[in-house]
Amino acid sequence: EVQLLDSGGGLVQPGGSLRLSCAASGFTFSSYAMSWVRQAPGKGLEWVSTISSSGGGTYYADSVKGRFTISRDNSKNTLYLQMNSLRAEDTALYYCAKIRGSGSLGDFDYWGQGTLVTVSS
Amino acid sequence: QSALTQPASVSGSPGQSITISCTGTSSDVGGYNYVSWYQQHPGKAPKVMIYDVSNRPSGVSNRFSGSKSGNTASLTISGLQAEDEADYYCSSHTSSSTRVFGGGTKLTVL
Repeated sequence: EVQLLDSGGGLVQPGGSLRLSCAASGFTFSSYAMSWVRQAPGKGLEWVSTISSSGGGTYYADSVKGRFTISRDNSKNTLYLQMNSLRAEDTALYYCAKIRGSGSLGDFDYWGQGTLVTVSS
Repeated sequence: QSALTQPASVSGSPGQSITISCTGTSSDVGGYNYVSWYQQHPGKAPKVMIYDVSNRPSGVSNRFSGSKSGNTASLTISGLQAEDEADYYCSSHTSSSTRVFGGGTKLTVL
């Protein structure tokens, strides 16, 4: 059974940093691209970032480019999102999601339960 | 990276059919067959209902179907049931190798 366990969220002050983790199990983690998707309270889904299966390709939404860094450790079956220079508008529930298929273009076929990031003074 | 355009809300009675549209551009919806649809119940993670425009994952009811014409994709739900009441989001790959979601549609089953 595929499982994605998001963690690392919390309350952080504007300008601060946080690192999210997503522990994966139930599939060959190193064979699949992964993404982070966020949802602000009461709002819709927003794609944040995608990383290829090898980690060699990374892609970001304009809203987080230069502040967030996606990475993965295939030996630990874990996905990360390093978030720096956090702003109030980054407050959201952050989901990690597995991408279907062999490339980075497929849909998000499995989702974590989400981890809440609150940016406030 | 403008969001795809979806109606804010749609409604239908049990047994009826409804269609949710998702309009983008030739740089996203119109340019690729990588359109997917997600169902989200309150307090739950999204669940994929349709992928690659019209494919249904294993376990998803055949009452759900997807299509695309030009820059607009559509999700149709036939034989509406109370459990279908949820928020629905479309998503597409883009020419910038990014992803974009629609603003979401709240489906109410009357």
